Amino acid sequence: KQEVTQIPAALSVPEGENLVLNCSFTDSAIYNLQWFRQDPGKGLTSLLLIQSSQREQTSGRLNASLDKSSGRSTLYIAASQPGDSATYLCAVKSGNTPLVFGKGTRLSVIA
Amino acid sequence: SAVISQKPSRDICQRGTSLTIQCQVDSQVTMMFWYRQQPGQSLTLIATANQGSEATYESGFVIDKFPISRPNLTFSTLTVSNMSPEDSSIYLCSVESLGGGTEAFFGQGTRLTVV
Repeated sequence: KQEVTQIPAALSVPEGENLVLNCSFTDSAIYNLQWFRQDPGKGLTSLLLIQSSQREQTSGRLNASLDKSSGRSTLYIAASQPGDSATYLCAVKSGNTPLVFGKGTRLSVIA
Repeated sequence: SAVISQKPSRDICQRGTSLTIQCQVDSQVTMMFWYRQQPGQSLTLIATANQGSEATYESGFVIDKFPISRPNLTFSTLTVSNMSPEDSSIYLCSVESLGGGTEAFFGQGTRLTVV
């Protein structure tokens, strides 16, 4: 059974810092991995989707990497801003099974 | 990408009553998914809604408590029945877009509080 773990559970950084969020998964036979952002009490916004054959994806200040063999993904946020404050969720898809989510990393960027 | 409209965005309900949540997608999709997110927790899949057939429920969720309708390829409803305070959660509708490699998209969520 696939399990997804996100470390750290919470992170507080000053504005302007670069930061890395970590996601690990137990079964490397994945179809893709997706990073989401969730604001308090709201739905999920898709940030980046990485296919199993890809090593990384970039969107603006965000870069996500995937190392399938070691069961790890990282989300790199450059030059963090207070507007980046949210919970970041990692989710893994394997074949036709439903998405499996981590518990998220709650990020606070302090002005 | 897919745009999902979910309503209501939030509600406060009395215990013992029922609430129906609506999910409208801007394109036709085969499967729609309903998730629950309890306070401080991650997402748990409730069921998969297929057009033209009964929904498929995950372990721990039953049709009597969470009836689902899927009348066409762009719309679904989830009802939370006979509510108790333990049902207070965010409920989310999701679809997967096959274009670009099965990317998942979510509605804005329904924040339910049962008093």
